[in-house]
Amino acid sequence: DVKVTQSSRYLVKRTGEKVFLECVQDMDHENMFWYRQDPGLGLRLIYFSYDVKMKEKGDIPEGYSVSREKKERFSLILESASTNQTSMYLCASEVVAGGGAQPQHFGDGTRLSIL
Amino acid sequence: GQQVMQIPQYQHVQEGEDFTTYCNSSTTLSNIQWYKQRPGGHPVFLIQLVKSGEVKKQKRLTFQFGEAKKNSSLHITATQTTDVGTYFCAGQGGGGFKTIFGAGTRLFVKA
Repeated sequence: DVKVTQSSRYLVKRTGEKVFLECVQDMDHENMFWYRQDPGLGLRLIYFSYDVKMKEKGDIPEGYSVSREKKERFSLILESASTNQTSMYLCASEVVAGGGAQPQHFGDGTRLSIL
Repeated sequence: GQQVMQIPQYQHVQEGEDFTTYCNSSTTLSNIQWYKQRPGGHPVFLIQLVKSGEVKKQKRLTFQFGEAKKNSSLHITATQTTDVGTYFCAGQGGGGFKTIFGAGTRLFVKA
């Protein structure tokens, strides 16, 4: 089974802090994603990466950056946390295979609160 | 940009009743996926549909992909309390590989 591990289940930070959310997958998947989940809005894509050191902006990248130095690890960075970034953050990975989309495998999520 | 709309946002049913959630895209999709997220859990992949008009079944769950590949539905027959959770559809548009998630339908089942 694919295992996607997020470093923290719950996190509380203060406004203005730099926040790092870490995600590791153990299946050598090429694609990795960061989403935020808010009530009534579903899953919104922040950034994704299709290879080491490669990244693409999703739908809501403002206020965030990412890092992918190794294939198994994808980090989400809040450069200067703000209260409107309080949310559930979900990391996912996906294998690249011929024929189009593959299932995404999600981590347990990090519930981040910015005070 | 491409949008995936999902309705209803919430549904309360009595155990044993049927349930359906609908997903509509503003553009033609190359495929559609369905996920289930239990309360307190993370989304888990259920199924993927690729062909126009495709119908797939998983026990009491029936998934359909519209003929025009712009809509999809998930139908649960005779709901059980174990069906509670949020059901998401997720589609990929033709020519792009970004997956767009619907907002989800949260299902409540009363025993």
